[in-house]
Amino acid sequence: AQRVTQPEKLLSVFKGAPVELKCNYSYSGSPELFWYVQYSRQRLQLLLRHISRESIKGFTADLNKGETSFHLKKPFAQEEDSAMYYCASISSGSARQLTFGSGTQLTVLP
Amino acid sequence: DTEVTQTPKHLVMGMTNKKSLKCEQHMGHRAMYWYKQKAKKPPELMFVYSYEKLSINESVPSRFSPECPNSSLLNLHLHALQPEDSALYLCASSQDPAFSGANVLTFGAGSRLTVL
Repeated sequence: AQRVTQPEKLLSVFKGAPVELKCNYSYSGSPELFWYVQYSRQRLQLLLRHISRESIKGFTADLNKGETSFHLKKPFAQEEDSAMYYCASISSGSARQLTFGSGTQLTVLP
Repeated sequence: DTEVTQTPKHLVMGMTNKKSLKCEQHMGHRAMYWYKQKAKKPPELMFVYSYEKLSINESVPSRFSPECPNSSLLNLHLHALQPEDSALYLCASSQDPAFSGANVLTFGAGSRLTVL
């Protein structure tokens, strides 16, 4: 079964430092990947999707098929970036569905 | 209106109670979803409705009964729940019923359920 793995449960960085949240996927075919974010007391919302190759709130994520990764990066972290970040994928096969990784709680320290 | 609205925000119920969670969207989305999220865990898919028909049931116990009265509304009927069913229940909707890389889910704020 296709899945995504987020190896870090917790990640702390200082304001202004670069941040990278890791996501690795296991896939047989073309992966369909997303990053969703859940700020404290706010609803889960889409941050990025790999097909769009966009930058949202300074975040980017590049699909690396060689390393089967879709890491989320931002060159200069801000305190308001503190949140839970979920990497998610669409599983292939007859029962396609959106499945979330275990999440990484990012804390940006002042 | 670009939101998914869930009511109630909080619900406390006993194991013998019958209650319902409600979800509403007016974005013309054709698919609606129920997810369950335990504390500090990712959301887990429960049900998917496509064009008002149940298309996915992730082996959810029958004490959870979904209902889609029309394209804008989604209910989750609760009966004889267990304390371990306490969680945040998230509703979501999407324009396209087919899960794909282009299909974005819009989530509600959730209903926090406590079963005593």
